Amino acid sequence: EAGVTQFPSHSVIEKGQTVTLRCDPISGHDNLYWYRRVMGKEIKFLLHFVKESKQDESGMPNNRFLAERTGGTYSTLKVQPAELEDSGVYFCAVGPTAEAFFGQGTRLTVV
Amino acid sequence: KQEVTQIPAALSVPEGENLVLNCSFTDSAIYNLQWFRQDPGKGLTSLLLIQSSQREQTSGRLNASLDKSSGRSTLYIAASQPGDSATYLCAAPSNTGNQFYFGTGTSLTVIP
Repeated sequence: EAGVTQFPSHSVIEKGQTVTLRCDPISGHDNLYWYRRVMGKEIKFLLHFVKESKQDESGMPNNRFLAERTGGTYSTLKVQPAELEDSGVYFCAVGPTAEAFFGQGTRLTVV
Repeated sequence: KQEVTQIPAALSVPEGENLVLNCSFTDSAIYNLQWFRQDPGKGLTSLLLIQSSQREQTSGRLNASLDKSSGRSTLYIAASQPGDSATYLCAAPSNTGNQFYFGTGTSLTVIP
């Protein structure tokens, strides 16, 4: 958990609004991942960056989700427009291949 | 696609008991398997990482085993304490090692 900071920790927005989640990892990790846990379900993969490039975005639910990683450092995940089913906890993780260290997550509530 | 299952979904034990959490996976061709702990409102803390070539890994009162042939891993917690109360998750990476498949977790409550 240490070394990956996510903010905000909690966001409540109305349906149709835009929200941007941010992940700040410690330096030195080329791999950066986004995951999501919706209520009652398991944590699921969204996408994987290697440095600033998207290596795998097969888990992104739809085109309302846009992830970027500027200069291979911090990353943002924007949801626009947000829908009710987007509510959940969004996690960022870094690490070498096949190992992950997670941030504390952002709890997103869409009302 | 890898599928990971954890049993039981919830477990409540009195302080001092030893306990076992179970994790099963469908694809035995895994790099490794990782156990995490999640406290309410917090992120995932990595507990143990077992490489595919290992049978078990130990850290303090925790011992994780891996049996690839049967698609199972267990997390053994010795002499449980109230501070062990949390959700425990296991995760297996994909065959490229670039994404994890998680179980739904076991919610553990240790009663003082």
